[in-house]
Amino acid sequence: GAVVSQHPSWVICKSGTSVKIECRSLDFQATTMFWYRQFPKQSLMLMATSNEGSKATYEQGVEKDKFLINHASLTLSTLTVTSAHPEDSSFYICSARDLNSAHNEQFFGPGTRLTVL
Amino acid sequence: QKEVEQNSGPLSVPEGAIASLNCTYSDRGSQSFFWYRQYSGKSPELIMSIYSNGDKEDGRFTAQLNKASQYVSLLIRDSQPSDSATYLCAVTLNKFYFGSGTKLNVKP
Repeated sequence: GAVVSQHPSWVICKSGTSVKIECRSLDFQATTMFWYRQFPKQSLMLMATSNEGSKATYEQGVEKDKFLINHASLTLSTLTVTSAHPEDSSFYICSARDLNSAHNEQFFGPGTRLTVL
Repeated sequence: QKEVEQNSGPLSVPEGAIASLNCTYSDRGSQSFFWYRQYSGKSPELIMSIYSNGDKEDGRFTAQLNKASQYVSLLIRDSQPSDSATYLCAVTLNKFYFGSGTKLNVKP
């Protein structure tokens, strides 16, 4: 149980284009999903908290107009990197919190490696 | 002060030894505690959770929680080279806080 998928697993795009990343909880419902970014040899950095049916909450310094988050259902959240630039190249990881869990554990997707040329 | 503190390491142990990973947290009201393992280039994987004081064992892994000292640890017995990874401590209250991780190297 507690499986989270992400698609695509890797993507290469040209500078200025937009990229959409999907995060799905496969065997549980998640009212809350989280989006992280991780640069090589650095810690996870929380970008935003995605709440089903409402606006995402962004961490300080994360541009909400550049990183668009949609959480339209209890099993799907999407992150769109708009007008991507080489500095957006990173490992993007989502996680999901089980609605029915009393302990708030997060389960991570396998991540999406984005390379912007 | 960071909410969750971990020694970045690397912690090097020989194969077969016990690896001890430590974590302290600042919010005394924290309720749930987790250990994640992250291999290089991969996403974190939940390996242990603990919610009450004391020890919790799962195979070669033992999580220890001491709420009075605001301290949580992970022991890995009979360490294997495949245990070499970064171990992230996480703590929740109303929000989820990760430590920066401890890199473990198990030498054959």
